[in-house]
Amino acid sequence: QKEVEQNSGPLSVPEGAIASLNCTYSDRVSQSFFWYRQYSGKSPELIMSIYSNGDKEDGRFTAQLNKASQYVSLLIRDSQPSDSATYLCAVNMRGEDTGRRALTFGSGTRLQVQP
Amino acid sequence: GAVVSQHPSWVICKSGTSVKIECRSLDFQATTMFWYRQFPKQSLMLMATSNEGSKATYEQGVEKDKFLINHASLTLSTLTVTSAHPEDSSFYICSATVAGDYNEQFFGPGTRLTVL
Repeated sequence: QKEVEQNSGPLSVPEGAIASLNCTYSDRVSQSFFWYRQYSGKSPELIMSIYSNGDKEDGRFTAQLNKASQYVSLLIRDSQPSDSATYLCAVNMRGEDTGRRALTFGSGTRLQVQP
Repeated sequence: GAVVSQHPSWVICKSGTSVKIECRSLDFQATTMFWYRQFPKQSLMLMATSNEGSKATYEQGVEKDKFLINHASLTLSTLTVTSAHPEDSSFYICSATVAGDYNEQFFGPGTRLTVL
């Protein structure tokens, strides 16, 4: 079964520190990777997408992808209390039952930024 | 851009009734929409994939006769929970992809269903 694995946390970091969120995936041919942020009681919000090996930076966020290791990460610099949320890693995979590509989500990592 | 709306945002109904949830892409055409369900403190679970003008594809374990999906246009998909029961109480979220792109998904704000 194709999977996306994340540490459930909580990951606790002090305000201003760098938060590092990690994700591994099982489908070796996946080409699209996403990070979503989900506040409690709300729907997910897309914050980063990455398609090529290496780093992609957007403001305080940096996504890192290593396809050989089947590993994707998200770094949040200068963490703020408002960053406290659950971060979902999503990988575009082909479903074994349907044969169609769809996002497979990890269970999410809960981040707590301490003021 | 890439805004998805859902209506209603919350609904409370009696057991045995049917509830319809609408998902709209407001500023783009979405040939594919997805319906998810999320129980408290659990991850998103894909229920079905909806393509405009064709039948939805349901994930294993999801009853297609209970969760009716209609994708009548490039901007509207509906999910009807038929004969709802308390165990159907959940957070239902739709998402949509830009036409021709099977990658980025943009989520609606979700609908919280409570069945009494």
